[in-house]
Amino acid sequence: GIQVEQSPPDLILQEGANSTLRCNFSDSVNNLQWFHQNPWGQLINLFYIPSGTKQNGRLSATTVATERYSLLYISSSQTTDSGVYFCAVGGTSGSRLTFGEGTQLTVNP
Amino acid sequence: GAVVSQHPSRVICKSGTSVKIECRSLDFQATTMFWYRQFPKKSLMLMATSNEGSKATYEQGVEKDKFLINHASLTLSTLTVTSAHPEDSSFYICSARVAGYNEQFFGPGTRLTVL
Repeated sequence: GIQVEQSPPDLILQEGANSTLRCNFSDSVNNLQWFHQNPWGQLINLFYIPSGTKQNGRLSATTVATERYSLLYISSSQTTDSGVYFCAVGGTSGSRLTFGEGTQLTVNP
Repeated sequence: GAVVSQHPSRVICKSGTSVKIECRSLDFQATTMFWYRQFPKKSLMLMATSNEGSKATYEQGVEKDKFLINHASLTLSTLTVTSAHPEDSSFYICSARVAGYNEQFFGPGTRLTVL
């Protein structure tokens, strides 16, 4: 099956800093989603982005499908951005999503 | 839009009992629903995929007789953990999608503790 690697596994920032999270995948995809898992476990949909670039406030994401990677940018980070960020991809052969191991982000005041 | 709910949010049960978890799509019709399991500090692992009106497809290593999945309507799927044991304690999350669209929407999860 498709392999998904996220980096870095852990990231500690000061409030106000910018960051880039990376997701590499091993095959062609027809679905790529970024999530933020809050402390209560809820997965918050950030982006549905199998290709191209999207922006939503301080967050933006870019997927370069031909090179099999996606980037999530967080600008002017806030303490409420803390949590685990997951990338999940769906291959072209079906609807199932494969999750990466996540990036644990800690934003300190 | 695209809201998915789960009930209960947390459940504690005794070993040997069965527990049912409901997953509902509140504002859309979900032709496909998915059930995931997440252990502490770990990623989500897909357990099974269910399409409305048909039998669920289980991932390798997931016991279908242990984790019964029913997707009887376009807005409701249930996961029943039968004869639960402490090793079944975990965070169970469902997701749903609409036919023809790839994006999945996730429920808030159910934390199961088996004593």
